[in-house]
This record gives sequence, C-alpha cells and structure tokens, in this order.
Amino acid sequence: QVQLQESGPGLVKPSETLSLTCTVSGYSISSGYYWDWIRQPPGKGLEWIGSISQSGSTYYNPSLKSRVTISVDTSKNQFSLKLSSVTAADTAVYYCSRRKSIVTKVWFDPWGQGTLVTVSS
Amino acid sequence: DIQMTQSPSSLSASVGDRVTITCRASQSISNYLNWYQQKPGKAPKLLIYTAASLQSGVPSRFSGSGSGTDFTLTISSLQPEDFATYHCQQSYNTPYTFGQGTNLEIK
Repeated sequence: QVQLQESGPGLVKPSETLSLTCTVSGYSISSGYYWDWIRQPPGKGLEWIGSISQSGSTYYNPSLKSRVTISVDTSKNQFSLKLSSVTAADTAVYYCSRRKSIVTKVWFDPWGQGTLVTVSS
Repeated sequence: DIQMTQSPSSLSASVGDRVTITCRASQSISNYLNWYQQKPGKAPKLLIYTAASLQSGVPSRFSGSGSGTDFTLTISSLQPEDFATYHCQQSYNTPYTFGQGTNLEIK
C-alpha cells in the first residue's frame, strides 16, 4: 500500500523560502509515475502546484512557476517542494500525491495527510 | 486556465436521501473529470476518475456521469459517513484545476 508523508517547517517568514519533503513508502519512486504537490488555503479550494517524474521531468502551475522548484531524490524515495519569496497568500495545507493516469487522463491517488504551513513574521 | 464551477456550494440533506452535485467546466473537457471526497482535517480521497469510473473500494452508491462541460456526482442513498466536502478536478489541460468544493451537511 502506497503511503505519502509530508514534512517540513510549519512556520515560514515572509520573503523566505518554504521547503517541504514528501516521503513515499510502499512504492519505489524510481519505478514510475509522476509525483505532485497540491495546496489548500484555509477554507478555500485546492490548487495544483506542480509535478515531477522519477527521471526529474517537471511541470509547474504557471501562476507559481517563477517561485517553485520540485526535485526528486530516488535514493531516499522522496520528492521535495521549494517555494520562494512567500507571502501570507501562500499560507495553506500542502499535500503531496501520486499521479495516476490513463493516457493523458490524470487523477491524484493517494494523498499524504497534508501539512499546514503558515507564513507569518 | 479551465475554470471549474460546482453547484451548489453547500447542501443540507438527510440520511437515505439521493443527492446530486454538479460540476461545470468553462470549456469542453471530454471526460477528463475526477471527483474527490474530503472530510474535515483530512486529505482528499479519490472517488471517481474519468467522469464515471468508480475507484476501487468506493461504495457503489457513488456514481459519476457527464461529458463535455457538465458533470454530476450522485450519491444514491446518503450514509452518515458521506457528510463531507466534494471536489471536482479537470485534467484536460494544465494547470489542473479544481472546483471550489461542495459542502454536504446533515439536515
């Protein structure tokens, strides 16, 4: 059974860089699939941030692209998110997820439990 | 970006009711549409993928339909554990986008 777990600081200061790691268990990232980050501001809807393949190919939401970096470490079975120059608008629960697909039809399953990151001084 | 609009935003219903939630896309997305259930403080859980395919382990009282721009999620007979927020998501184009969510509450 594939499980994902986010980790990282719960509080980040404005203008600094948010860094999160997703540790995958029950499946080897190097075996395939894309791995995604999705966030949810408090009381709001879900926003797709971006994704990475096991080989390191990345896709980002254009609205965040200038500030986002997603990387993968297959030796640790982890992938990571960095979001620079954060503001209060980046306060959200951040989820990692595995992307599944049939041809180009894509869905997210499973998801990590999520981690709340608050941007505040 | 493709905008996804769910209706209603909130809904009150009773155990045993049949409930339908609608999701409309701002352009045609064929059947590139998924549904998720989210309970308070928990991560979303996949219910339906490609508009009508039931995820393994999801009860058969959940069903999805639609194509093009209009989609529905139907719960045939509400159970106590179904009270949650439901999200639709399109994968026709990146960036993948979600609806704003429908909060299903107990009447």
